[in-house]
Amino acid sequence: GAVVSQHPSWVICKSGTSVKIECRSLDFQATTMFWYRQFPKQSLMLMATSNEGSKATYEQGVEKDKFLINHASLTLSTLTVTSAHPEDSSFYICSALWNTDTQYFGPGTRLTVL
Amino acid sequence: RKEVEQDPGPFNVPEGATVAFNCTYSNSASQSFFWYRQDCRKEPKLLMSVYSSGNEDGRFTAQLNRASQYISLLIRDSKLSDSATYLCVVNVNGNQFYFGTGTSLTVIP
Repeated sequence: GAVVSQHPSWVICKSGTSVKIECRSLDFQATTMFWYRQFPKQSLMLMATSNEGSKATYEQGVEKDKFLINHASLTLSTLTVTSAHPEDSSFYICSALWNTDTQYFGPGTRLTVL
Repeated sequence: RKEVEQDPGPFNVPEGATVAFNCTYSNSASQSFFWYRQDCRKEPKLLMSVYSSGNEDGRFTAQLNRASQYISLLIRDSKLSDSATYLCVVNVNGNQFYFGTGTSLTVIP
């Protein structure tokens, strides 16, 4: 299957700082990538759809000014959690869309905000 | 009504057993269907795609019933390593995906 990487795999930061997470499709070009968040023992929650060269589409209740998404190339999308707070601590997972309908997921980034 | 519904389980089965999960979807325009497995604290990994009536890969068989709007996943000869959460995902239209809540499977020695 296709390979998607995420960096960093885990990060611990102080409250109020910003954290940038990178999602890369390593062996295919992805016009569309998705960002999810998952809390313990809960389902994946879609945060936003990232489209190369255009603005991301955010799900209801997700603040676009807090979760900045940039998809500047066909292999890279970034999510920046601005002014992070403890309630933002979660497992953030990206996926890249392959062949118009198949998502391949990155390994996730575990964010802990102190 | 949820777009995709799965029995959350948990399913606890002995090694070697056959186990089946069902997933129902509400949108008849759904185009493609996927089963992922997710291990604890890991990302979902694609197990199988289903476009027509079904798909088979070794011990795993997925079947699609468009008339009744459900897909199933059958695991034969369960292994301990099959213990995971199995996610049903439905693609309605290009970028529109709906996830089931996942079915938890534990295979017991």
